[in-house]
Amino acid sequence: SQTIHQWPATLVQPVGSPLSLECTVEGTSNPNLYWYRQAAGRGLQLLFYSVGIGQISSEVPQNLSASRPQDRQFILSSKKLLLSDSGFYLCAWAVGGPNEKLFFGSGTQLSVL
Amino acid sequence: ILNVEQSPQSLHVQEGDSTNFTCSFPSSNFYALHWYRWETAKSPEALFVMTLNGDEKKKGRISATLNTKEGYSYLYIKGSQPEDSATYLCAFVGSQGNLIFGKGTKLSVKP
Repeated sequence: SQTIHQWPATLVQPVGSPLSLECTVEGTSNPNLYWYRQAAGRGLQLLFYSVGIGQISSEVPQNLSASRPQDRQFILSSKKLLLSDSGFYLCAWAVGGPNEKLFFGSGTQLSVL
Repeated sequence: ILNVEQSPQSLHVQEGDSTNFTCSFPSSNFYALHWYRWETAKSPEALFVMTLNGDEKKKGRISATLNTKEGYSYLYIKGSQPEDSATYLCAFVGSQGNLIFGKGTKLSVKP
């Protein structure tokens, strides 16, 4: 069966520090991978998606970047965190097009102080 | 900017009550509509993916309808139970293929 792992679960970082959140998927090949963020009072916002190794699409201009070094690994990074980067980050995967449901990881609560 | 609106924002019902909430989305360039349930301390879990106007889907006591011409979907819960307490998210998929989520409806069911 397919599983998705996301870590860490919580993170408190000072402004200006770097960030690395990791997501891995097991039990499937060539999934579409996504990073979403939920900021306070807002809906889930798509940050990045990837349809294959090394292929990253960014949905919003921001302080973050993503990489997909392996088929089932998706990493969210920042060189210098801003206060506005605080939020709940979710990794998700799907196989196929946008009429296929997403499977979400357990999320990372990031607080930038 | 595409807007997906969900109402109400929150809802408190008694165990056994039936309830429903709404997701409104653009009526043009429709591709699909997703519903997810997000329980506290868990991951969002897919309930339905709907693609055709007039679609009705059912999963246990939960059902959903879709009207793509007027741009809305209803989610119904029959005989609410405390374990139905969660935030229910809808997500619109337009021609660009990306999911645009609403802010959700937070349901609390009191025993």
